[in-house]
Amino acid sequence: GENVEQHPSTLSVQEGDSAVIKCTYSDSASNYFPWYKQELGKGPQLIIDIRSNVGEKKDQRIAVTLNKTAKHFSLHITETQPEDSAVYFCAASDKTGGSYIPTFGRGTSLIVHP
Amino acid sequence: DTGVSQDPRHKITKRGQNVTFRCDPISEHNRLYWYRQTLGQGPEFLTYFQNEAQLEKSRLLSDRFSAERPKGSFSTLEIQRTEQGDSAMYLCASSRGQLNTEAFFGQGTRLTVV
Repeated sequence: GENVEQHPSTLSVQEGDSAVIKCTYSDSASNYFPWYKQELGKGPQLIIDIRSNVGEKKDQRIAVTLNKTAKHFSLHITETQPEDSAVYFCAASDKTGGSYIPTFGRGTSLIVHP
Repeated sequence: DTGVSQDPRHKITKRGQNVTFRCDPISEHNRLYWYRQTLGQGPEFLTYFQNEAQLEKSRLLSDRFSAERPKGSFSTLEIQRTEQGDSAMYLCASSRGQLNTEAFFGQGTRLTVV
């Protein structure tokens, strides 16, 4: 099955700095890569996703890049703000027996200091 | 449309008791997932339904766990003879369509086994 590794586990930045979170995946058949933000006591919420036919996608201060050859993808947050503080999860989704099952990384706790 | 709803939000039970959680997905979503999340970890896949059919089950889902989705609408997850190791957040997610699409998560049910 799929295995997703995520780094770093904790990331501390000053407000206004950029933050980068990196993930690798093992199954070359994976073709959908969502990123989720989870705030304390809440369920994960999708913030951006990318499909395997695209190398980069941007949405305001957030961007995701995908390198299919190397099997890694990254989340970039620019001009970080204190409200960006949360746990971020990457995921990779392949077709397991006909079903698309997202496999998640272990998460990155992002702390943005004002 | 109020999103994915889970009930209860919190459950404290004694070891050996049975518990049941409910998930109401977004109404037009035919796909439903159960995940388990422990502190400091990413969501771990438990089981997946497409409409009323349970198509995938993780090896994490021991014989004490059972899930149903009658009529392809809400779903229940039952844990029999709970153990302290079952303490976790149980997350439900739903999505639509036949291909890889965004999974929307509920707020989760936090289970504590004492």
